[in-house]
Amino acid sequence: AQSVTQLGSHVSVSEGALVLLRCNYSSSVPPYLFWYVQYPNQGLQLLLKYTSAATLVKGINGFEAEFKKSETSFHLTKPSAHMSDAAEYFCAVSLDDKIIFGKGTRLHILP
Amino acid sequence: EPEVTQTPSHQVTQMGQEVILRCVPISNHLYFYWYRQILGQKVEFLVSFYNNEISEKSEIFDDQFSVERPDGSNFTLKIRSTKLEDSAMYFCASSGGLAVVYNEQFFGPGTRLTVL
Repeated sequence: AQSVTQLGSHVSVSEGALVLLRCNYSSSVPPYLFWYVQYPNQGLQLLLKYTSAATLVKGINGFEAEFKKSETSFHLTKPSAHMSDAAEYFCAVSLDDKIIFGKGTRLHILP
Repeated sequence: EPEVTQTPSHQVTQMGQEVILRCVPISNHLYFYWYRQILGQKVEFLVSFYNNEISEKSEIFDDQFSVERPDGSNFTLKIRSTKLEDSAMYFCASSGGLAVVYNEQFFGPGTRLTVL
């Protein structure tokens, strides 16, 4: 069955530093993977999605993620963190007619 | 840009009361979903709805829950007799196609349900 595991419930980075949020997936078939962001008191917004067209996926707000089958990973990165990136980030995988979410990683940006 | 809307943004109710959470999906979408997020926990799938019937539901979606598309625009989640553990953020989502064929699910801003 499809599932995702996010490593680290909280990640802190300094403003301007590299952001790396880790996600590993488990899937018996080629997965469709997503990263969602949830800003405080707001809903879920799609950052990017992997649909097998390309292993490096670029999303909104300067984020990107690389699908690595050998490592069963789909880590989210951003070269330079901004204060406005502070939010909760969810890795997710599609399963039949629904999306299965990871537990989330709260990103803190230090001034 | 089209978006999913939900009302109310916050609902407070007494245990045992019925609540109806409302959603207006994106107009040309055909698939509708409800998810919930208990405070501090991950987002969990509740139910999917297509062609006026439930296509899949989770073990959370017991007989206390029901969904309906009463007209061409609204999609509702009803909880018949609320329990304390129903307190959560409830998200509605809609899609033009199945998640399995990577059609994006668009999420609404959520309704925070507080059961006292």
